Amino acid sequence: QKEVEQDPGPLSVPEGAIVSLNCTYSNSAFQYFMWYRQYSRKGPELLMYTYSSGNKEDGRFTAQVDKSSKYISLFIRDSQPSDSATYLCAMTLNQAGTALIFGKGTTLSVSS
Amino acid sequence: DAGVIQSPRHEVTEMGQEVTLRCKPISGHNSLFWYRQTMMRGLELLIYFNNNVPIDDSGMPEDRFSAKMPNASFSTLKIQPSEPRDSAVYFCASSLMGIQNIQYFGAGTRLSVL
Repeated sequence: QKEVEQDPGPLSVPEGAIVSLNCTYSNSAFQYFMWYRQYSRKGPELLMYTYSSGNKEDGRFTAQVDKSSKYISLFIRDSQPSDSATYLCAMTLNQAGTALIFGKGTTLSVSS
Repeated sequence: DAGVIQSPRHEVTEMGQEVTLRCKPISGHNSLFWYRQTMMRGLELLIYFNNNVPIDDSGMPEDRFSAKMPNASFSTLKIQPSEPRDSAVYFCASSLMGIQNIQYFGAGTRLSVL
């Protein structure tokens, strides 16, 4: 079993839809959870950062972490064509200069 | 800030040739990471440095791969000899250790080994 599992998609939705992206993980010691967005032929960029369990909201984006289920989610409200990208979940044990473990990424396409 | 700078952006080479990828991290960052991204395996860590010291190189595929960080503003990833299965996008990322471990990625080097 891989440490982090993420459905690669692709996921296609119409503009304005609510999008739900998810990852599961196996290592209960993970404490920091992130979502990165990667546009085609670009490097990943940080979208959301969450410590431990709970929710975090930033504009149209909401990140949820459920450590008891080892499950994290990213919700996108009122999706826009500019949200079309690959979304990668990432997690790590601590913040002191350690590597991130990434999911394979889910490719999202939002049509206008 | 210019962000993480990688060069070259694209590299096409023949099997057996030496390839050197370069990375300039964000000024002031003290952690540097090299990742490889393929469709099959996603984004995988190859090696990372803290304060210019290699911490974990367990992701380096084999002895053909080597990485150095001679100073805080420069790192190289070398493949010698290169093989077609090394074809991938190689990313460098940097972070400020202890500050939320947010990694900032470069634009990547797309390597094709023929």
